[in-house]
Amino acid sequence: AQKVTQAQTEISVVEKEDVTLDCVYETRDTTYYLFWYKQPPSGELVFLIRRNSFDEQNEISGRYSWNFQKSTSSFNFTITASQVVDSAVYFCALSIEGGFKTIFGAGTRLFVKA
Amino acid sequence: GAGVSQSPRYKVAKRGQDVALRCDPISGHVSLFWYQQALGQGPEFLTYFQNEAQLDKSGLPSDRFFAERPEGSVSTLKIQRTQQEDSAVYLCASSSNRRMNTEAFFGQGTRLTVV
Repeated sequence: AQKVTQAQTEISVVEKEDVTLDCVYETRDTTYYLFWYKQPPSGELVFLIRRNSFDEQNEISGRYSWNFQKSTSSFNFTITASQVVDSAVYFCALSIEGGFKTIFGAGTRLFVKA
Repeated sequence: GAGVSQSPRYKVAKRGQDVALRCDPISGHVSLFWYQQALGQGPEFLTYFQNEAQLDKSGLPSDRFFAERPEGSVSTLKIQRTQQEDSAVYLCASSSNRRMNTEAFFGQGTRLTVV
């Protein structure tokens, strides 16, 4: 069975601080996909990134960066120089090759204070 | 429209009432998903359609839940004889891919409150 654990329920930072959101996943499949989504107060989930299990290269997109480590089954997300607009709930998620469902973690609520 | 549209945005139902939740996916998207999101939790998979075919309904919590997508576009999630535990946000997502390994576009959800 697949599982995604986001141990941090809530994180509060002051604007311009860096913050890392942790994600640990479990699967026995060798081909799988990892995602991060952002859920602002409006409710819709916004796609941020997808990685497949064969690509462990870290990725940077503006202030966002992701660290994928298969050895520790982790896919952590770092926001550099956080801004108030980053305040949202962030979900890490997992899907397996050939499957139709995506397994979401419980989410981490990020508060960025001005 | 440009995105996934869900209606109604909010629904209050009396226990025992039947409800129907609508999802308009992005035009041309083959895949359509329904998720249930309880307060403070992540979305949980309910069912998946590829065009009009319901290929996975393993997440539907009981036989009171029924989903359809008869023409491969608009989908309806129906809940019969609603119970308080059905209170949640119901999210619809669509994707141009036939599998859930590319990004999905989510609607804003329907918040169902059963009283």
